[in-house]
Amino acid sequence: DAKTTQPPSMDCAEGRAANLPCNHSTISGNEYVYWYRQIHSQGPQYIIHGLKNNETNEMASLIITEDRKSSTLILPHATLRDTAVYYCIVRVGVADMRFGAGTRLTVKP
Amino acid sequence: ETGVTQSPTHLIKTRGQQVTLRCSSQSGHNTVSWYQQALGQGPQFIFQYYREEENGRGNFPPRFSGLQFPNYSSELNVNALELDDSALYLCASSPSPNTEAFFGQGTRLTVV
Repeated sequence: DAKTTQPPSMDCAEGRAANLPCNHSTISGNEYVYWYRQIHSQGPQYIIHGLKNNETNEMASLIITEDRKSSTLILPHATLRDTAVYYCIVRVGVADMRFGAGTRLTVKP
Repeated sequence: ETGVTQSPTHLIKTRGQQVTLRCSSQSGHNTVSWYQQALGQGPQFIFQYYREEENGRGNFPPRFSGLQFPNYSSELNVNALELDDSALYLCASSPSPNTEAFFGQGTRLTVV
């Protein structure tokens, strides 16, 4: 089972920031937090990952709390094309990523 | 575009048959992982191959098997198909086992 907890759904207004939370209270010291998203019927798309420092790339920012028990993915200016299911994943082992149910983000005009 | 291509895109098979799905990794990636995604659920890890060797396996029976070739392309084979094997099968390639993975668009398998 996935070691993360995410809200099942969220709405966001177009042009506003979308803040997607994730709880991972049992995370180990050497485990990374990864974020992926999946637009309907397509393969998951890598967004960002981090260990303990905040990270930013051209798609999003990742804020990880100091105790590493939770994180937030920020899409700074959401567009309609950002409507998708967002998965927060803690890397469990050498190989597998455990996807949970994710958060269905709906960006509304 | 991730540079990961899967074939075929759609497939219909009969219960009890065997199926082979194919994946071409992104250039320079030596690691490939396969996932099964049932309708309405998140992807479930099947196995990973690194430099042609299995490098981890999820909770799937032995009738799910794989191969990785010297050019790092990969196959997923499923024997004795069951109705519950109907799903989207996703392939993901990585530059190494513990880095971010880039997914293909998947193969939609329907077992009737």
